[in-house]
Amino acid sequence: AQSVSQHNHHVILSEAASLELGCNYSYGGTVNLFWYVQYPGQHLQLLLKYFSGDPLVKGIKGFEAEFIKSKFSFNLRKPSVQWSDTAEYFCAVRGRNNNDMRFGAGTRLTVKP
Amino acid sequence: DTGVSQDPRHKITKRGQNVTFRCDPISEHNRLYWYRQTLGQGPEFLTYFQNEAQLEKSRLLSDRFSAERPKGSFSTLEIQRTEQGDSAMYLCASSGDDRGDYGYTFGSGTRLTVV
Repeated sequence: AQSVSQHNHHVILSEAASLELGCNYSYGGTVNLFWYVQYPGQHLQLLLKYFSGDPLVKGIKGFEAEFIKSKFSFNLRKPSVQWSDTAEYFCAVRGRNNNDMRFGAGTRLTVKP
Repeated sequence: DTGVSQDPRHKITKRGQNVTFRCDPISEHNRLYWYRQTLGQGPEFLTYFQNEAQLEKSRLLSDRFSAERPKGSFSTLEIQRTEQGDSAMYLCASSGDDRGDYGYTFGSGTRLTVV
């Protein structure tokens, strides 16, 4: 069965600090990987996705993620966070032959101005 | 089209009552998904439709839960004889590509509180 682990429950950073949120998944086959963001009071929005090809994926708002197959990881990064990045971030995995997307428990990011 | 719409936004019900939620996906999307999210957790898959056909149901979806998508457009999720453990945010998402590979568009959810 596929599963997703997000190591950090709550991360607190100051503006301009660099961000890396960990995500590891467990799945026996080929996967598609996603990061979603949920800003306070808003719905889940797609931040970026990986299917194949270049393992370094760039998304919206300066976010990027790197797929490392050998480590079953898909960590999210941003070189310099802003106060407006305060949100909850969810990593998700979808097996190529599955119909459901599995989400991690989420990481709450608080950026102090 | 303004995205995925869910109604109501909030529902408070007494234990034992039945509730029904509605989801209107993006009009050209043929895939529709229901998820449940509890505090401190990520969304958990409940069920999925391709057009009007319900193709997969999670083991989380007990016999008290039923979902329909009668004409392949909007969908309803009904919970019968609600229990306090049903309190959660119920999320609907839709996808327009054949496999949902390009990610889902989520609605704002219906927050259910069972008292």
